Amino acid sequence: KNQVEQSPQSLIILEGKNCTLQCNYTVSPFSNLRWYKQDTGRGPVSLTIMTFSENTKSNGRYTATLDADTKQSSLHITASQLSDSASYICVVSPGSTDSWGKFQFGAGTQVVVTP
Amino acid sequence: GAVVSQHPSWVICKSGTSVKIECRSLDFQATTMFWYRQFPKQSLMLMATSNEGSKATYEQGVEKDKFLINHASLTLSTLTVTSAHPEDSSFYICSARSASSYNSPLHFGNGTRLTVT
Repeated sequence: KNQVEQSPQSLIILEGKNCTLQCNYTVSPFSNLRWYKQDTGRGPVSLTIMTFSENTKSNGRYTATLDADTKQSSLHITASQLSDSASYICVVSPGSTDSWGKFQFGAGTQVVVTP
Repeated sequence: GAVVSQHPSWVICKSGTSVKIECRSLDFQATTMFWYRQFPKQSLMLMATSNEGSKATYEQGVEKDKFLINHASLTLSTLTVTSAHPEDSSFYICSARSASSYNSPLHFGNGTRLTVT
């Protein structure tokens, strides 16, 4: 069973609108949670990295939140632009030494921004 | 910022031939590099982890004799798909990290689209 679940699987939003993507994880112990943006046919690009002690982190119009108690994270996109159309991937890094490097990837949320 | 360069970006080869994919860290020393495979509309699947100067660690189900990984320097790792078959057609991505801490950045290459005919 995947230890990182993302929702929704896909969504379509109008240009200029906001949207929120969800990530629930069961990875434990937990070290950090990362959000990546992946354009079609390209490698993922980092948006945010949060450790268990951080609740929110912003990168321009992207704001990530983290609740380590409930093991939930969200990525909020403000005033969406056409260039935001991409897959957004939640990646959780385990905190145990024997799992070092064993990043757990969510399946991604495909976002389509329409004019 | 840190850049990971992956080459080639796409390759078409005939069944039975071998293909080499390079992953280079351009402005940092990558102590660890990771190789992933990605199928359409699915997330990345870790194939193997390679540390400079040592043998790669392969994930369960990944054939190490088919997917040869070499990490001979702190800036270069290669993945060779040997005796490629059409089912090996996929998107292969590498990533690299510069330090051995849990929170160190993970930088990805732009991927290689492999098509085996």
